[in-house]
Amino acid sequence: EPEVTQTPSHQVTQMGQEVILRCVPISNHLYFYWYRQILGQKVEFLVSFYNNEISEKSEIFDDQFSVERPDGSNFTLKIRSTKLEDSAMYFCASKAGRTPSGELFFGEGSRLTVL
Amino acid sequence: AQKVTQAQTEISVVEKEDVTLDCVYETRDTTYYLFWYKQPPSGELVFLIRRNSFDEQNEISGRYSWNFQKSTSSFNFTITASQVVDSAVYFCALSEPNYGGSQGNLIFGKGTKLSVKP
Repeated sequence: EPEVTQTPSHQVTQMGQEVILRCVPISNHLYFYWYRQILGQKVEFLVSFYNNEISEKSEIFDDQFSVERPDGSNFTLKIRSTKLEDSAMYFCASKAGRTPSGELFFGEGSRLTVL
Repeated sequence: AQKVTQAQTEISVVEKEDVTLDCVYETRDTTYYLFWYKQPPSGELVFLIRRNSFDEQNEISGRYSWNFQKSTSSFNFTITASQVVDSAVYFCALSEPNYGGSQGNLIFGKGTKLSVKP
């Protein structure tokens, strides 16, 4: 069964360091997303990406964050200068079509710990 | 404003009990979609169900059933004869295509942690 894969599963970094989280969406999917879940809290939308550009982003997704799809398969989330409050589980998701009813397939998450 | 409310933070039941997880939503849209996801202790998000705003039929899938009531803006989830493997955090989510969710961005509730004890 096709799945969304994320690496690393867990990353520990020092405050101020750059972090790149990687995702390989399901191969025929066209829409890609990053969500964040701070420990014990709800899952929050960060950004959606289609046709090699950001479609929508939340207020959480500030200038410290960026996304790209460098090679047609990987979909990355970069945090330029990490802060303590960036510690969270980051979920990548992908969807086949445009309709909002389409099922989002989530990866298993990348846990980021900022010290 | 909070769009999806899951008032039950934690529920604990004994195996074989039935349990209902509540979800109340708020939307400006006449067309919207509701979802339930399960997050087991391993952390991934597992899709359970999707329901659109025009379909108020209740749905049953094995031990799972969902009760969608537009009149009360609720989309409740019932597990019949619960099992230990049902222990997880369950999230209700809303997609509003005409209000910032044109591509299906999900607004999640805070989740309900279900513990099923043997």
